[in-house]
Amino acid sequence: QVQLVQSGAEVEKPGASVQVSCRTSGYTFTDYYIHWVRQAPGQGPEWLGWIDPDSGDTKYAQKFQGRVTMTRDTSINTVYVEVNSLRPDDTAVYYCARDRTTVTSNWFDPWGQGTLVTVSS
Amino acid sequence: DIQMTQSPSSLSASVGDTVTITCRASQSINKHLNWYQLKPAKAPKVLIYGAANLQSGVPSRFSGSGSGTDFTLTISSLQPEDFATYYCQQSFATPTFGGGTKVEMK
Repeated sequence: QVQLVQSGAEVEKPGASVQVSCRTSGYTFTDYYIHWVRQAPGQGPEWLGWIDPDSGDTKYAQKFQGRVTMTRDTSINTVYVEVNSLRPDDTAVYYCARDRTTVTSNWFDPWGQGTLVTVSS
Repeated sequence: DIQMTQSPSSLSASVGDTVTITCRASQSINKHLNWYQLKPAKAPKVLIYGAANLQSGVPSRFSGSGSGTDFTLTISSLQPEDFATYYCQQSFATPTFGGGTKVEMK
């Protein structure tokens, strides 16, 4: 079955960087975009961007441009998101999710289990 | 960005109840609206895509309706495993989510 398995929780200091990985299995890695979404405590989810695992092309939400980088390693079917210049308000659960697109619809399925990133001095 | 507003932000219900959650978009999104269920320490799960299409494997007690700016998620005969937080998400433009509706046990 399709699975997205993320790396473990991270604790970082303000100003540092963090990288979260998302290992995929159960389908052809290069056939589906992967999105990254985060949810800060008490808030709704927030979309960070997507990566095309085939070409490596990316699109980032305007809010995160210049501070977020998405990459992939096709040899191990894994995508990564790196967030730089961390601030306390970057504390959130970070999720990867596979893109699903039809002629009329676009949604995220399935999702990874989430990775808690805590930014604290 | 398109703003998504959900109501209510929380509700209390009992097993067997019918629950309705609404989601309003700040502009027309046709039927580009998805519903997700989130539970602590679990992977989020899509329930409905394209406003009214039931995701494979999701129980038929979940249903969605609406188009344009106003959408509804209905859970008929609420089950114990349905106590969770529900979010709408628009895919018409840069994806955005609603603020969530927490369904709690009465």
